[in-house]
Amino acid sequence: DQQVKQNSPSLSVQEGRISILNCDYTNSMFDYFLWYKKYPAEGPTFLISISSIKDKNEDGRFTVFLNKSAKHLSLHIVPSQPGDSAVYFCAASGGFTNSGGSNYKLTFGKGTLLTVNP
Amino acid sequence: GAGVSQTPSNKVTEKGKYVELRCDPISGHTALYWYRQSLGQGPEFLIYFQGTGAADDSGLPNDRFFAVRPEGSVSTLKIQRTERGDSAVYLCASSLLQVNTEAFFGQGTRLTVV
Repeated sequence: DQQVKQNSPSLSVQEGRISILNCDYTNSMFDYFLWYKKYPAEGPTFLISISSIKDKNEDGRFTVFLNKSAKHLSLHIVPSQPGDSAVYFCAASGGFTNSGGSNYKLTFGKGTLLTVNP
Repeated sequence: GAGVSQTPSNKVTEKGKYVELRCDPISGHTALYWYRQSLGQGPEFLIYFQGTGAADDSGLPNDRFFAVRPEGSVSTLKIQRTERGDSAVYLCASSLLQVNTEAFFGQGTRLTVV
C-alpha cells in the first residue's frame, strides 16, 4: 500500500510558466515533508521541505504548500526554467514505527518527470 | 569530500555472487541510511544507522542483505547470493540530525545481476 502518491508520472510546461507538482499521502502520522529533484545518473538532491505546523514554505522560485486536512501537498516552481527538467520526488517522515512511519525514515512517492520546454 | 560518496558507480555481477557496496557519508553526519530504487519507483528504505549501530533494519528484504558501519563513518552494504531481482540503484544518504531533517544522497550504485 503506497503511503505517498504522485499520481502524475509526467508533466510538460513551457519555459517561464508555472509548474505545479502534486503529492498525496495516506499516513496521518507524517509530519514532515520534502521535495527532492533527481537528474539521470545522479542521486536525489534536496529542494525544499515543510513541517506540518506550517501550510506554506517558500525558497526562491520554489514554494511548497501543505493541506493537512486533505493530506495533500504541492510544489510550485515559478518561473520554470529548462534546467528544472528532472524527476521530482515527494517524501514524508514522522510518526512512530508501529504506525508505518518514523521520524527518520523517508517514504517516497514514485516521482513526476517534469519537462520544461524552451 | 563535500558530499556523500558511493563506490562503485556501477556493478555488474553474476547471479549467486557476493557484492559489497560502499558509502562514505558527509563528514560529521552521524545518521546514515541505505535506500534502494527500482525502475519506475521512488527510493525505498532499507536500513538506518545512528553512529555505529543499525537502529532500524526493517527495510532489508531478506537475510541475504546485511550492512555495517564499524567506525560510525563509512558503511558497507553486503548482498550474498545475488539474484536478478536485486538489480536496482542502491542509494546512500546521511544527515546531521536524525529527526525530521533533510537527508543528503550520494549518486548511487547501479547494481545489475545477470
